[in-house]
Amino acid sequence: GQNIDQPTEMTATEGAIVQINCTYQTSGFNGLFWYQQHAGEAPTFLSYNVLDGLEEKGRFSSFLSRSKGYSYLLLKELQMKDSASYLCAVMDSNYQLIWGAGTKLIIKP
Amino acid sequence: DSGVTQTPKHLITATGQRVTLRCSPRSGDLSVYWYQQSLDQGLQFLIQYYNGEERAKGNILERFSAQQFPDLHSELNLSSLELGDSALYFCASSVTDYNEQFFGPGTRLTVL
Repeated sequence: GQNIDQPTEMTATEGAIVQINCTYQTSGFNGLFWYQQHAGEAPTFLSYNVLDGLEEKGRFSSFLSRSKGYSYLLLKELQMKDSASYLCAVMDSNYQLIWGAGTKLIIKP
Repeated sequence: DSGVTQTPKHLITATGQRVTLRCSPRSGDLSVYWYQQSLDQGLQFLIQYYNGEERAKGNILERFSAQQFPDLHSELNLSSLELGDSALYFCASSVTDYNEQFFGPGTRLTVL
């Protein structure tokens, strides 16, 4: 079967750094996506990785290791508005997006 | 604003009824996806259309159906509604199968 694992919930402090991990087992791999979703709102696209390595976008970075079936999303200089759920999704060999259950990130002052 | 529009924003109805949710994709996007998200749950993929044709099916109940029209807008029909169908229903669109998806604001369905 296809499986994406992420921690259910994480807590971090404003101004700090947090790393959200995602491991996956899918039928093939055509890229990994990270989305942010605030409560009651639509998911918004954050990043896309298809090759191994780190992609940096401002305060957010995403890393991929295809051989390990592993990715992480790194959030720096945390702000209260970063409190949200972070969804990891993998595109399989049929170009179907397999979604993780999401990690709820709580930022404390 | 993602460019994907969904109507209505909220819908309250009774068990046993039928409703239609509407989605207009971003200009130029050929793929449309429907998702269901119950309270504090993950996204459940329902169905995908590409340029008018059904492309993939997820965990979509037989009571639910969808279609994509020639102008690429899509409708999700939910019938014989049950209390458990209360959820946020999102539509997303993408240029092709392998691009990032952009989500609409969702329709919040409440079944009483």
